[in-house]
Amino acid sequence: GAVVSQHPSWVICKSGTSVKIECRSLDFQATTMFWYRQFPKQSLMLMATSNEGSKATYEQGVEKDKFLINHASLTLSTLTVTSAHPEDSSFYICSQIRGAENEQFFGPGTRLTVL
Amino acid sequence: GESVGLHLPTLSVQEGDNSIINCAYSNSASDYFIWYKQESGKGPQFIIDIRSNMDKRQGQRVTVLLNKTVKHLSLQIAATQPGDSAVYFCAESRHEKLTFGTGTRLTIIP
Repeated sequence: GAVVSQHPSWVICKSGTSVKIECRSLDFQATTMFWYRQFPKQSLMLMATSNEGSKATYEQGVEKDKFLINHASLTLSTLTVTSAHPEDSSFYICSQIRGAENEQFFGPGTRLTVL
Repeated sequence: GESVGLHLPTLSVQEGDNSIINCAYSNSASDYFIWYKQESGKGPQFIIDIRSNMDKRQGQRVTVLLNKTVKHLSLQIAATQPGDSAVYFCAESRHEKLTFGTGTRLTIIP
């Protein structure tokens, strides 16, 4: 069964609004979660590393003030896309590392469409 | 990792045949490699992984080969089935961060 969930699975919003995406660990306490973005027919690109209880680490070129990440508990990380624009329309996927082999488990993704 | 492009390479394979999907990586310091399967509208699903101290690893119907000399990784799927249709990504890991390859769309011909 799924070990990482995301909510919502899809969202449509108007340009200029903010959207919050949740990533939950269902049965595991994750101190670190990752957020990826995937444009149509493209690969996944790491946006940021979400650390429980501390600030997220953003990859080069990702605006931290636009993509707000909060990892307030060991089972929940949230990504808020602020002042969304059509170019932010994408598939957003979170993941977490588990196990001795450091295997990364991915959530089902959230499809964001900004009109 | 590979640069991201707009054109996803495709591979069409007859049902029952073996599939071989290739991937080139760029960072010689990467020590852990993973193959993921992504079906439409879903998150990536782990298939098999390999560490840099190995050159081959086998799973159920899948084999991963690693050639560190030429920085090449391949995924072999035996007796391909319709359920294998998906996009396959290789990923290289360094300090727990994953860099994904461009991906290959595998289509199964009945």
